[in-house]
Amino acid sequence: GQNIDQPTEMTATEGAIVQINCTYQTSGFNGLFWYQQHAGEAPTFLSYNVLDGLEEKGRFSSFLSRSKGYSYLLLKELQMKDSASYLCAVMDSNYQLIWGAGTKLIIKP
Amino acid sequence: NAGVTQTPKFRILKIGQSMTLQCAQDMNHNYMYWYRQDPGMGLKLIYYSVGAGITDKGEVPNGYNVSRSTTEDFPLRLELAAPSQTSVYFCASGSSELNTEAFFGQGTRLTVV
Repeated sequence: GQNIDQPTEMTATEGAIVQINCTYQTSGFNGLFWYQQHAGEAPTFLSYNVLDGLEEKGRFSSFLSRSKGYSYLLLKELQMKDSASYLCAVMDSNYQLIWGAGTKLIIKP
Repeated sequence: NAGVTQTPKFRILKIGQSMTLQCAQDMNHNYMYWYRQDPGMGLKLIYYSVGAGITDKGEVPNGYNVSRSTTEDFPLRLELAAPSQTSVYFCASGSSELNTEAFFGQGTRLTVV
């Protein structure tokens, strides 16, 4: 079966750095996505990785290791508005997105 | 651009009733998707479409139907609503098969009682 695993919840302090991990087992791989979803709102796109390595975009970075079936999202200089759920999704060999359950990130002052 | 527009935002249905969730996008995207999101769960694909006149089942299609008569519109039909269909429904669209960025509507919160 296909599976995406993420921690259910994480807590971090404003101004700090947090790393949200995602491991996956899918039938084929055509890229890994990270989305941000604030409570009661739609997911919004953060990043896309298809090759191994680190992609940096402002305060957010995403890393991929295809051989390990592993990715992480790194958030720096945390702000209160970063409190949200972070969804990891993998596109499989049929070009379908398989979604993790999301990691709820709580930022404390 | 409005992006992806979903209506209604909230709806309460009685068991056995039917309804249509509307979804429209103005970005000329070929790919459109319907997902449901249950509390604490990932998004589950209900149906998707790769272009006007073409639809296909996703992971959880039972109890739903779709149509894609135009590029812009992708309505989702619920027939004989059941409590198990209580969920938040999201419509999304994308411009390419690799779906490098999917744009989501604001969601429809449906309760079946």
